[in-house]
Amino acid sequence: TQLLEQSPQFLSIQEGENLTVYCNSSSVFSSLQWYRQEPGEGPVLLVTVVTGGEVKKLKRLTFQFGDARKDSSLHITAAQPGDTGLYLCAGDLVRNAGNMLTFGGGTRLMVKP
Amino acid sequence: EAQVTQNPRYLITVTGKKLTVTCSQNMNHEYMSWYRQDPGLGLRQIYYSMNVEVTDKGDVPEGYKVSRKEKRNFPLILESPSPNQTSLYFCASSWTGGPYNEQFFGPGTRLTVL
Repeated sequence: TQLLEQSPQFLSIQEGENLTVYCNSSSVFSSLQWYRQEPGEGPVLLVTVVTGGEVKKLKRLTFQFGDARKDSSLHITAAQPGDTGLYLCAGDLVRNAGNMLTFGGGTRLMVKP
Repeated sequence: EAQVTQNPRYLITVTGKKLTVTCSQNMNHEYMSWYRQDPGLGLRQIYYSMNVEVTDKGDVPEGYKVSRKEKRNFPLILESPSPNQTSLYFCASSWTGGPYNEQFFGPGTRLTVL
């Protein structure tokens, strides 16, 4: 069982549709990050949320951190083919020797024109 | 250009043949780490390093070794690779391990162990 559960694992939608990706855990995180990864490349940071209840917007992407800092969501409005990729959430879990990022399993999004 | 580089990008090897994947960053980051990515499992941390000569195990350290003799380099060593280590490997670096630690990832190394 993963510490961070992402859903759905796969999502195939038409251009112009809206979608939401969820990232859930039973653990509390000091912060949570969302990354996007394209084929043949490493993940690239989209946003970091730190405060419970925080909402951040990045153009058509809206990120929310749960009040209890155990979950997060990514909502994309009017999806475009350029949004296609693997979306990963990652929670910052404080450990003894320093913080560590724990990644969810990822949501593979395909937006068809 | 600020970047994390990994070499090789692709590697096919046989069981038991020692190999090293190099990782180098030019951003003067203190924190570096190695991840492996497998379908449906996201990225799992293998080892991380808070600074030179300071390394610690991540979630899946078995079968791997690392060293951090210089700030910019963090090689991943597989002393005796096995087929279950076939995976996509990413090196990452960041300024610190704090809550705003954006990880900068390398392009990945696809390893196949036969």
